[in-house]
Amino acid sequence: NAGVTQTPKFRILKIGQSMTLQCTQDMNHNYMYWYRQDPGMGLKLIYYSVGAGITDKGEVPNGYNVSRSTTEDFPLRLELAAPSQTSVYFCASGKGGSGANVLTFGAGSRLTVL
Amino acid sequence: QQQVKQSPQSLIVQKGGISIINCAYENTAFDYFPWYQQFPGKGPALLIAIRPDVSEKKEGRFTISFNKSAKQFSLHIMDSQPGDSATYFCAASMDHQFYFGTGTSLTVIP
Repeated sequence: NAGVTQTPKFRILKIGQSMTLQCTQDMNHNYMYWYRQDPGMGLKLIYYSVGAGITDKGEVPNGYNVSRSTTEDFPLRLELAAPSQTSVYFCASGKGGSGANVLTFGAGSRLTVL
Repeated sequence: QQQVKQSPQSLIVQKGGISIINCAYENTAFDYFPWYQQFPGKGPALLIAIRPDVSEKKEGRFTISFNKSAKQFSLHIMDSQPGDSATYFCAASMDHQFYFGTGTSLTVIP
């Protein structure tokens, strides 16, 4: 059982380039999330999805886009990369429902924009 | 605006001591309060969680104390061990959205 898998683990981008961070989960979770983690700032929600075909903005969505065509996959697209997008990105998934929504996180993707 | 405020930013404790991390929130609509533990190079992992209708929850050496009227909750790590050295995040959740504190870097000295 792989849980939440993120690729790539590390990436260096030049300003203005674009890229996609991949996230896939094998737990059949409805809810998926993208967070960015910056030193001293905690985890900030970029986008989330409550199911295939449904996405919504979080606290810091500017400069990012997402799609959710399947239950398993939730890629994060960075358009026109900027130095402010240098961060560690975490994808997470949760079962949702009326009970406690426990988040399972991936190992993270460290992105540097130069 | 930080939905959940966490302190201290860093904490150094001797082995066997008690580690205490505090969090505060404003939105009374939050209905679930988890704590996550993160080791270097890894993603956060759920440590322990509490609902606002309970004042305390204990799992092994880890205890959450919850004060609904003060809108505060804290994590207590009893008999702290070097293996507990990690970053700890408190969080508050509503409508399946999670708001995280800024994290506390805990170092337990042998």
